[in-house]
Amino acid sequence: DIVLTQSPTTMAASPGEKVTLTCRASSSVSYMNWYQQKPGASPKLWIYGTSKLASGVPNRFSGSGSGTSYSLIISSMETEDIATYYCQQCCSTPLTFGSGTKLEIK
Amino acid sequence: EVQLQQSGPEVGRPGSSVKISCKASGYTFTDYVMNWVKQSPGQGLEWIGWIDPEYGSTDYAEKFKKKATLTADTSSSTAYIQLSSLTSEDTATYFCARVPYGSHGVMDAWGQGASVTVSS
Repeated sequence: DIVLTQSPTTMAASPGEKVTLTCRASSSVSYMNWYQQKPGASPKLWIYGTSKLASGVPNRFSGSGSGTSYSLIISSMETEDIATYYCQQCCSTPLTFGSGTKLEIK
Repeated sequence: EVQLQQSGPEVGRPGSSVKISCKASGYTFTDYVMNWVKQSPGQGLEWIGWIDPEYGSTDYAEKFKKKATLTADTSSSTAYIQLSSLTSEDTATYFCARVPYGSHGVMDAWGQGASVTVSS
């Protein structure tokens, strides 16, 4: 199984700050997907195919990476971005998720 | 509008079974694979498996092969997950999520989740 390790586990950012969330895979994957989950809600597709924004996702978000290292970047943190973000590898079953990064406002 | 409407909360006794439904609307049910994902209280997401509603083919994560059974009824556009031999480890919220064919596992729509509580 491909293990995804997300870092940091938790982070706090100030409004306007640039934020980088990292996801490392135990084996090389072709693409990475990211989901946003707010408390009490279902996860939402956020970024797919490594760098494509899902419908309605603000363009302050971006995704990048290849092989075993992927990132979700927020160019300028906003309060509505408070959530937990999960990465998910695309291509090898069992599909696996990272353990999540909880993003808080400072 | 795409919707995945899941059934309500379930309480099951240890050793019993529960069955959760996920009714799809707003798209052609057989054009997408349906996945199921478990989230234990305060924990992350865990993939259970998927079903292709058109052919009935399934794939499961190894740890769920004896725990979960995925089925689908194309006449009602509804997917089901049955959880058997319940233990406290099965207390969790279970989500259905659709994946377009050939999309590299992109779960682009999710149900609201169904909670399962195992209690005697």
